[in-house]
Amino acid sequence: AQSVTQLDSQVPVFEEAPVELRCNYSSSVSVYLFWYVQYPNQGLQLLLKYLSGSTLVKGINGFEAEFNKSQTSFHLRKPSVHISDTAEYFCAVSEGFSASKIIFGSGTRLSIRP
Amino acid sequence: EAQVTQNPRYLITVTGKKLTVTCSQNMNHEYMSWYRQDPGLGLRQIYYSMNVEVTDKGDVPEGYKVSRKEKRNFPLILESPSPNQTSLYFCASSYRQGPAAVDEQYFGPGTRLTVT
Repeated sequence: AQSVTQLDSQVPVFEEAPVELRCNYSSSVSVYLFWYVQYPNQGLQLLLKYLSGSTLVKGINGFEAEFNKSQTSFHLRKPSVHISDTAEYFCAVSEGFSASKIIFGSGTRLSIRP
Repeated sequence: EAQVTQNPRYLITVTGKKLTVTCSQNMNHEYMSWYRQDPGLGLRQIYYSMNVEVTDKGDVPEGYKVSRKEKRNFPLILESPSPNQTSLYFCASSYRQGPAAVDEQYFGPGTRLTVT
């Protein structure tokens, strides 16, 4: 069965510093991977997705993620964060080759300090 | 405008009083899903639907019912709400990648439910 682990529940960083939010998954088949962002008091919106092809995926707001099949990871990165990036970030996985559902990680709260 | 709508946005009710949260999407998506979000637990899937008249349980289906009579609508029904169902609920829809997995999900604005 598929599962998603976000190792850090909270990540505090200073403004303009780089950040990496970690995501590991377990699945026995090919997967589709997603990162969603939830700003305070809002719903979720897609940051980026990996379906196939290049393992380095670029998303909105300067975020990118790299799919690493051997390490079953899909870490999210940004080279320089801004105060407006303060939000909760969710990694999600959907299994291929099946009529599947999507599993979300427990979320990582990113707080940016000026 | 492509969107997922939920109603009501806020609801306070009492234990045992049946309620329905509606969800509608205008993107002709096959896949729809309901989640609940609780602090420290992220999003947990309640039910999902791959198409009209096709629904299946997610990870936390107890105490909930759904139906999919039309492609655009996917209501969530709580026949006898209890305080442990106090939560933030999200509906989402998605395009399917052929017979296989689903693509990105589009989320509604959320419904905050309090059961006293």
